[in-house]
Amino acid sequence: DAGVIQSPRHEVTEMGQEVTLRCKPISGHDYLFWYRQTMMRGLELLIYFNNNVPIDDSGMPEDRFSAKMPNASFSTLKIQPSEPRDSAVYFCASLPSGTDTQYFGPGTRLTVL
Amino acid sequence: AQTVTQSQPEMSVQEAETVTLSCTYDTSESDYYLFWYKQPPSRQMILVIRQEAYKQQNATENRFSVNFQKAAKSFSLKISDSQLGDAAMYFCAYRSHPYQGAQKLVFGQGTRLTINP
Repeated sequence: DAGVIQSPRHEVTEMGQEVTLRCKPISGHDYLFWYRQTMMRGLELLIYFNNNVPIDDSGMPEDRFSAKMPNASFSTLKIQPSEPRDSAVYFCASLPSGTDTQYFGPGTRLTVL
Repeated sequence: AQTVTQSQPEMSVQEAETVTLSCTYDTSESDYYLFWYKQPPSRQMILVIRQEAYKQQNATENRFSVNFQKAAKSFSLKISDSQLGDAAMYFCAYRSHPYQGAQKLVFGQGTRLTINP
């Protein structure tokens, strides 16, 4: 199994630009999570989906952030417009129903100049 | 809301020695899961060990073991025979039982472990 796949691995953009991060969960996993890691706030959940439906988006910082899961094998996290304080590592994780262990992707390091 | 606290920002240990990383948490739930994840410089989050709260027996995985004290809400990680490859950030994490509804992981701030050759 290829594991959770994220792209790009690194993204550098300028303030005000739109950024789209992508995630492919492990096949058969019903849950998908987006986490953000920063020095100041550590690892925090942004949003998670169950069977492609958003369940908890209380961690999404503001309206500039949006996430979608159009099908079971693909999710996006979009930031529009991006700001320097959005610079962080963004992780995607997936989880099969009935289990308790989340599997993480390699993360996307986002730098907003 | 649940919180997880790791009070040791950094730890170091000599190679082949034993080290214990501390974690405490706060919850009003009785059923939950606890995890230790390792994050090496590659950034990949790797599961080290997991513990189910209803199990009194402490989990072990080769050189890694936990000391789970439910009443004290403490969940420490012991690494025996430390190896250079154990150098990483270690995160303690909490997850509610599925019947509670919430599936998210709540993480501590992490402990950076250095292994001295």
